[in-house]
Amino acid sequence: QSALTQPPSASGSPGQSVTISCTGTSSDVGGYNSVSWYQQHPGKAPKLMIYEVSKRPSGVPNRFSGSKSGNTASLTVSGLQAEDEADYFCSSYAGSSNYVFGTGTKVTVL
Amino acid sequence: QVQLQESGPGLVKPSGTLSLTCAVSGGSISSSNWWSWIRQPPGKGLEWIGEIFHSESTNFTNYNPSLKSRVTISVDKSKNQLSLKLSSVTVADTAVYYCARGTHLAFDYWGQGTLVTVSS
Repeated sequence: QSALTQPPSASGSPGQSVTISCTGTSSDVGGYNSVSWYQQHPGKAPKLMIYEVSKRPSGVPNRFSGSKSGNTASLTVSGLQAEDEADYFCSSYAGSSNYVFGTGTKVTVL
Repeated sequence: QVQLQESGPGLVKPSGTLSLTCAVSGGSISSSNWWSWIRQPPGKGLEWIGEIFHSESTNFTNYNPSLKSRVTISVDKSKNQLSLKLSSVTVADTAVYYCARGTHLAFDYWGQGTLVTVSS
């Protein structure tokens, strides 16, 4: 199956909000409430930020929120901080015990 | 706190077999979790390779259809670790390989990753 589509880049000033989209199909994003989001700083392993579309693991700031409409999921980072500058990847369960990741979005804090 | 640590050769020859292990600490490989391998070519996105669930009686595995013919994931319960074997490798298999714990159809704990380069 194909990777989920994300914009290559997004940016915002400190304190502002940025929203990243993740577009798939009815066979993955649209078919399951199992979208997750990962933050990855350079040279580091990905970190789980959102699971099951909108749930935050313990320790993740509530500035991070997720949503989904149809075949598109979104991650919003509110009150941008310098440490939020990173790559962000979405992922979705794709049925038949298979997972697909997004193409990734580089978030820049201006 | 669960910790995962990948290890294995950093260089594999084309047509050879890539073999990696992932040591799990702070938790049991036999817990009610799936354990996955995920890779990331340099400068590119993530690709799920496959997963394993270890129970007392048997193991269950699922693989990415695009890699299924070349992948084997297994568990060594005595060492609390999982392993990955990828056969017939090409330069396209050059990537950082991660192991990760699965939960709620997501991946909550990741190893630091290990770079494997396929080159002659």
